Amino acid sequence: GAVVSQHPSRVICKSGTSVKIECRSLDFQATTMFWYRQFPKQSLMLMATSNEGSKATYEQGVEKDKFLINHASLTLSTLTVTSAHPEDSSFYICSALESSTQGSTEAFFGQGTRLTVV
Amino acid sequence: AQKITQTQPGMFVQEKEAVTLDCTYDTSDPSYGLFWYKQPSSGEMIFLIYQGSYDQQNATEGRYSLNFQKARKSANLVISASQLGDSAMYFCAMRENTGNQFYFGTGTSLTVIP
Repeated sequence: GAVVSQHPSRVICKSGTSVKIECRSLDFQATTMFWYRQFPKQSLMLMATSNEGSKATYEQGVEKDKFLINHASLTLSTLTVTSAHPEDSSFYICSALESSTQGSTEAFFGQGTRLTVV
Repeated sequence: AQKITQTQPGMFVQEKEAVTLDCTYDTSDPSYGLFWYKQPSSGEMIFLIYQGSYDQQNATEGRYSLNFQKARKSANLVISASQLGDSAMYFCAMRENTGNQFYFGTGTSLTVIP
């Protein structure tokens, strides 16, 4: 199956700093990528839909100025957590749909990033 | 209303036995896809099986099969011959063909007992 690479897998940062998480589709082009946040023992919560070459679509309650999403190419989307606070500590995971497939039968997920803000 | 409902927060199964993880869904879209993902403690989401709304037969992938009952809007995952490595969180998900978004259930934590 297709591969989505997410980096870093773990990051610890100081409160007030910014952290960038990268999501790359390695062997396919992805016009659409999704960013999720997952709290321990809970489901994935969709934060935003990232579309190549246009602004991301954020879900209700997600601060777009805090969680900056850039999808500058067909293989890369980035999520930047700005001015991170301890409550931003969470597991962030991206997924991508193959742009060449109509009605793609699966979304491919990155390995996830565990962010800890101290 | 919840798009995907998983009513079993936790399940236990004896090694080598079969287990069914429940999933019901809600949609008015006539065309949709149903997915099951496994999430071990490491965090990655592993695709297990897919069922399209127009598929006539239940999907099977190795030890995984999907019991698709369209009229009841249920898509239960059956794992046969459970192995210790099957212990993980399992998420049911749906994608409506009118959009790209995936809707996830709250997950079921499966523990396989030796």
